[in-house]
Amino acid sequence: EPEVTQTPSHQVTQMGQEVILRCVPISNHLYFYWYRQILGQKVEFLVSFYNNEISEKSEIFDDQFSVERPDGSNFTLKIRSTKLEDSAMYFCASSEALGRRAYGYTFGSGTRLTVV
Amino acid sequence: DQQVKQNSPSLSVQEGRISILNCDYTNSMFDYFLWYKKYPAEGPTFLISISSIKDKNEDGRFTVFLNKSAKHLSLHIVPSQPGDSAVYFCAAIPGNTGKLIFGQGTTLQVKP
Repeated sequence: EPEVTQTPSHQVTQMGQEVILRCVPISNHLYFYWYRQILGQKVEFLVSFYNNEISEKSEIFDDQFSVERPDGSNFTLKIRSTKLEDSAMYFCASSEALGRRAYGYTFGSGTRLTVV
Repeated sequence: DQQVKQNSPSLSVQEGRISILNCDYTNSMFDYFLWYKKYPAEGPTFLISISSIKDKNEDGRFTVFLNKSAKHLSLHIVPSQPGDSAVYFCAAIPGNTGKLIFGQGTTLQVKP
């Protein structure tokens, strides 16, 4: 079964450093998403990406965050200057099309980001 | 953001019995509702969904019921199996968007 692959599985970074979280979505999917889950809290939507641009973003997704699809297969989330409160599990997801919402989205296993 | 709420943090049932997981929502503009299952160290896995124009959808052991007047949905698992032990998330999609709004999750334990 096709998978969404995320690397690394765990990243530890110093506060103020830049981090890039990487994802390889399912190859025929067109919509890409980042979500995060702070320990003990809900899974929260960050951003959706379609046709090489952001289609929707949440209040969390401020100027410190950016997304990119650099080469047609990878989908990355960059945090420019990490804060302690960015520590969370970050999930990438992809879907075929908006019209396929009834079939759910495929999530990756996540990257646990720890900011120290 | 309390648009989707799962008020029971945990549920324990015996193997072979029915598990009922509940979810309430506040936004009448939600288009689809979905249930995801999550094991530790894995991402959420899609289980079943229901359109806002339906009141029931069934897939094998899993059935989702939607009560729009009460803004309530539930997931029934019959019969429950130990492998069903996981965290279950209710999620909703507003209007013509792609984003999922999740509930807090309910941890289901199915005892042999």
